[in-house]
Amino acid sequence: EIVLTQSPATLSLSPGERATLSCRASQSVSSYLAWYQQKPGQAPRLLIYDASNRATGIPARFSGSGSGTDFTLTISSLEPEDFAVYYCQQRSNASWTFGQGTKVEIK
Amino acid sequence: QLQLQESGPGLVKPSETLSLTCTVSGGSISSSSYYWGWIRQPPGKGLEWIGSIYYSGSTYYNPSLKSRVTISVDTSKNQFSLKLSSVTAADTAVYYCARGLSKRIHFDYWGQGTLVTVSS
Repeated sequence: EIVLTQSPATLSLSPGERATLSCRASQSVSSYLAWYQQKPGQAPRLLIYDASNRATGIPARFSGSGSGTDFTLTISSLEPEDFAVYYCQQRSNASWTFGQGTKVEIK
Repeated sequence: QLQLQESGPGLVKPSETLSLTCTVSGGSISSSSYYWGWIRQPPGKGLEWIGSIYYSGSTYYNPSLKSRVTISVDTSKNQFSLKLSSVTAADTAVYYCARGLSKRIHFDYWGQGTLVTVSS
């Protein structure tokens, strides 16, 4: 089973700042990685798929990069509604796994 | 607009079987373009994939839950279901159903989730 490790666990930033979230896979997943945003009491929302493609309706301030084992989600300038928990996810050998999440909180 | 809605008991006794249904509206569950999945989230914790089912009927389960999980589809009702047997308090979680695109790894539509508590 491929393990996804996200860092940092918590990111304390102010609105307008740039957020950089990391996701590392225990084996190569090529570009087959997705990112989700989850706010309290809500279901996860797809942000990025195939490592770098924004999902429908996702603002351009969200971008994804990486391949193989190292991936990054960047939020170029944090808006108040971006403070949430972010998860990465992969599928390999018909087994899906999620990272443990990164919480982006207001500093 | 596709919508998914989970339903089922909110309280299950230890050692019994948890049963949930996901009703899909605004689209057909029979399409070969999609697969369907269950994901759960214990209170205050992260997301855990439970299993997925494809149009062909093929099922894939989390190895850690495989012995206790069954996912099935009822095309006549446009629903798919989850059964998790021999539950314990560790199975207390919000359970989500979701849709994935065939040949893609991500889930693009999610239900709102339903909290299932395991307690006597």
